[in-house]
Amino acid sequence: EAGVTQFPSHSVIEKGQTVTLRCDPISGHDNLYWYRRVMGKEIKFLLHFVKESKQDESGMPNNRFLAERTGGTYSTLKVQPAELEDSGVYFCASSQGLGYTFGSGTRLTVV
Amino acid sequence: ELKVEQNPLFLSMQEGKNYTIYCNYSTTSDRLYWYRQDPGKSLESLFVLLSNGAVKQEGRLMASLDTKARLSTLHITAAVHDLSATYFCAVAKSGGSNYKLTFGKGTLLTVNP
Repeated sequence: EAGVTQFPSHSVIEKGQTVTLRCDPISGHDNLYWYRRVMGKEIKFLLHFVKESKQDESGMPNNRFLAERTGGTYSTLKVQPAELEDSGVYFCASSQGLGYTFGSGTRLTVV
Repeated sequence: ELKVEQNPLFLSMQEGKNYTIYCNYSTTSDRLYWYRQDPGKSLESLFVLLSNGAVKQEGRLMASLDTKARLSTLHITAAVHDLSATYFCAVAKSGGSNYKLTFGKGTLLTVNP
């Protein structure tokens, strides 16, 4: 079974630019989550999709972040415009039942 | 707001020794997870603990859950270098159909020869 795939693995962008992160969950997993770990802090919840619907987006920091999951398959997380404090590792996870499978994360550096 | 406190945050051990990582959480929860992360890799699921008194073991790692004390422990027996990694506990609390995870800060474990 293929795991959760995230792309890119690393991204370095300048402040004010736009970046789009992608997550391909395990096929058939309805639940898809985005999390973020800022340097030195906890991994924090951003949002949760059930199929193509946003179930909970209470963790999204502000309206510069936009997540989509068209067709209930892969998801994208766009940051526009990026700020320095957006730097961190963005994890995606999918689940069906008790377990969560995480991707390797995208390390975003905003300079 | 659910808070999860993990300690210690840094742990340097010698091979062959035993140690315990602690995970306290602030409100009742539905599930508790332990994950391992190697640098640059994904979070690997180690254990899911569902009920009070649950104990699970895999190799040199054993996890337990005391829901009354809101405490989980991850015990390492006779550590080996391969166990060096960051260990996270995470608590899932349901909000309707949403079991989002709240994580501790992680414990960076280094096992020295």
